[in-house]
Amino acid sequence: EAGVTQSPTHLIKTRGQQATLRCSPISGHTSVYWYQQALGLGLQFLLWYDEGEERNRGNFPPRFSGRQFPNYSSELNVNALELEDSALYLCASSFPGYGYTFGSGTRLTVV
Amino acid sequence: AQSVTQLDSQVPVFEEAPVELRCNYSSSVSVYLFWYVQYPNQGLQLLLKYLSGSTLVKGINGFEAEFNKSQTSFHLRKPSVHISDTAEYFCAVDTGGGNKLTFGTGTQLKVEL
Repeated sequence: EAGVTQSPTHLIKTRGQQATLRCSPISGHTSVYWYQQALGLGLQFLLWYDEGEERNRGNFPPRFSGRQFPNYSSELNVNALELEDSALYLCASSFPGYGYTFGSGTRLTVV
Repeated sequence: AQSVTQLDSQVPVFEEAPVELRCNYSSSVSVYLFWYVQYPNQGLQLLLKYLSGSTLVKGINGFEAEFNKSQTSFHLRKPSVHISDTAEYFCAVDTGGGNKLTFGTGTQLKVEL
């Protein structure tokens, strides 16, 4: 069974640009979660999508947004990039209550 | 609101020694509890989980954890560690609503020869 796949693995952007990160969940999982892991800040919840709808979002500004497609894959968009957006962005998928399976992450560097 | 506390940010231990990584949680409702491991430059891998039933949970790589409801703890243990266990370990709680996992701040386990 294929795990959660994320692309790209690394992304370098300039301040002010937009970044798009992609995630494919495990087959059959309808929920996708996005987390930001910035140096010294731990794992911060960003967004939860289920059945194509945004169900919850963490304490992040609106320039962090995303969507979930009919095949349950998901996209995270970060607009107007700032230096402090540099982080590892992790995607996870699950059946609710059964634990999350994480991808290997996308390392975003803003210069 | 739920929260997770990992009291130890770093735990050094010699190879083949036992180790315990501590995790305490707070929640007003029933919880599901998880331990994840993160090796350098990688994502998170599920070590073990407590959903219900037996309070002693066995996971991969020889790790186990015990759910203690009265002490609101879910400490992770391994009787004999190996160099390859060097990694960061995260405790997490989910109240079961599919809302989100809340993570602790992580414990860096460093196994030395």
